[in-house]
Amino acid sequence: QKEVEQDPGPLSVPEGAIVSLNCTYSNSAFQYFMWYRQYSRKGPELLMYTYSSGNKEDGRFTAQVDKSSKYISLFIRDSQPSDSATYLCAIPFNFNKFYFGSGTKLNVKP
Amino acid sequence: EAQVTQNPRYLITVTGKKLTVTCSQNMNHEYMSWYRQDPGLGLRQIYYSMNVEVTDKGDVPEGYKVSRKEKRNFPLILESPSPNQTSLYFCASRPGLAGGDTQYFGPGTRLTVL
Repeated sequence: QKEVEQDPGPLSVPEGAIVSLNCTYSNSAFQYFMWYRQYSRKGPELLMYTYSSGNKEDGRFTAQVDKSSKYISLFIRDSQPSDSATYLCAIPFNFNKFYFGSGTKLNVKP
Repeated sequence: EAQVTQNPRYLITVTGKKLTVTCSQNMNHEYMSWYRQDPGLGLRQIYYSMNVEVTDKGDVPEGYKVSRKEKRNFPLILESPSPNQTSLYFCASRPGLAGGDTQYFGPGTRLTVL
């Protein structure tokens, strides 16, 4: 079983839609949960992270963690064409290893 | 400008010909790491380094070597490349080992092994 599983997409939505991106993980010891955004032909960049359970909001983006079901989500409100990218969930473990999901490619149509 | 640089950005080589991909960061970060990205598999960690002369294996270390002789540099060495090492490679660095420390990624090196 992979440490992190992610819905592969691709996902295509109209501008202004609410987008939901999801991952599941296997190890209940994981504490930090991250979302990276990767534009085409670029390296990933950190979007936001959460610690333990709960929600964290940053502008149009909300990260949510449900540790009871080992489920993490990223919501994008009022999606824009500039949000078109691949989104990767990532989980650091023991401070030095990182497990990434396979990525969900999002296309926001004008 | 704070950044992670990788060279070369694109490389086509043949099986068995040793190659090195360089990685350098100018942020005085302690932690550096190498990943490969393949369709459907996402980013997989190859090796990481927590400081000078301290390196350890990630999930897919077979066929790769690394060294960390200086804090800013973390080269990836393929001593005898094979076609299954054709991939997109990313180097990353982060300030330390705190759980929420951001990883900064380089622009990537696209390697093709014929």
